[in-house]
Amino acid sequence: GAGVSQSPRYKVAKRGQDVALRCDPISGHVSLFWYQQALGQGPEFLTYFQNEAQLDKSGLPSDRFFAERPEGSVSTLKIQRTQQEDSAVYLCASSLRVDSFYEQYFGPGTRLTVT
Amino acid sequence: RKEVEQDPGPFNVPEGATVAFNCTYSNSASQSFFWYRQDCRKEPKLLMSVYSSGNEDGRFTAQLNRASQYISLLIRDSKLSDSATYLCVVNIPGLGKLIFGTGTRLQVFP
Repeated sequence: GAGVSQSPRYKVAKRGQDVALRCDPISGHVSLFWYQQALGQGPEFLTYFQNEAQLDKSGLPSDRFFAERPEGSVSTLKIQRTQQEDSAVYLCASSLRVDSFYEQYFGPGTRLTVT
Repeated sequence: RKEVEQDPGPFNVPEGATVAFNCTYSNSASQSFFWYRQDCRKEPKLLMSVYSSGNEDGRFTAQLNRASQYISLLIRDSKLSDSATYLCVVNIPGLGKLIFGTGTRLQVFP
């Protein structure tokens, strides 16, 4: 079956521009996660949804970052007034259940470059 | 101090070699442990879960030492296709998120 998909795969934004990154999780997966991965680093947690409820947004670096999953499936990560330090790969992952023993499946990521 | 620490490498080993990666974690409440593999410019993929009793999957063996808060991954008979970054990952009960180390890069050469 289809895996996690993300769009766009690459995004170049001028500093100050707003961007929206989309994630389509695996159908039926309850949990959805966003991670940020800087070059040479491991992924860092941003936020987490269980269905449409955003249960943890402790990793969002500033109030310029906003995520939503209004119908409990597709999710959008929005970054307002992008800064150069926002340049990174943004990874989305989904999981069948909330339980930590369930594998998280990652999408290919969106590579954001802010110039 | 980072919650999950790994030697970033790179580890450069010849085909057929045995190589071991180590990882330490700081939160004693951590309950689930994993090794993920990430190829260059690709997404992380689960390699194996790590259990207290240790577990083996073909050429790969993972071990957990809760007392020392230490996780290891052993790769035997390395193949060229094993070249990748290996991410040590922990999960704390009650939190859905995964906490990743920075990854250890492995390069297997002919």
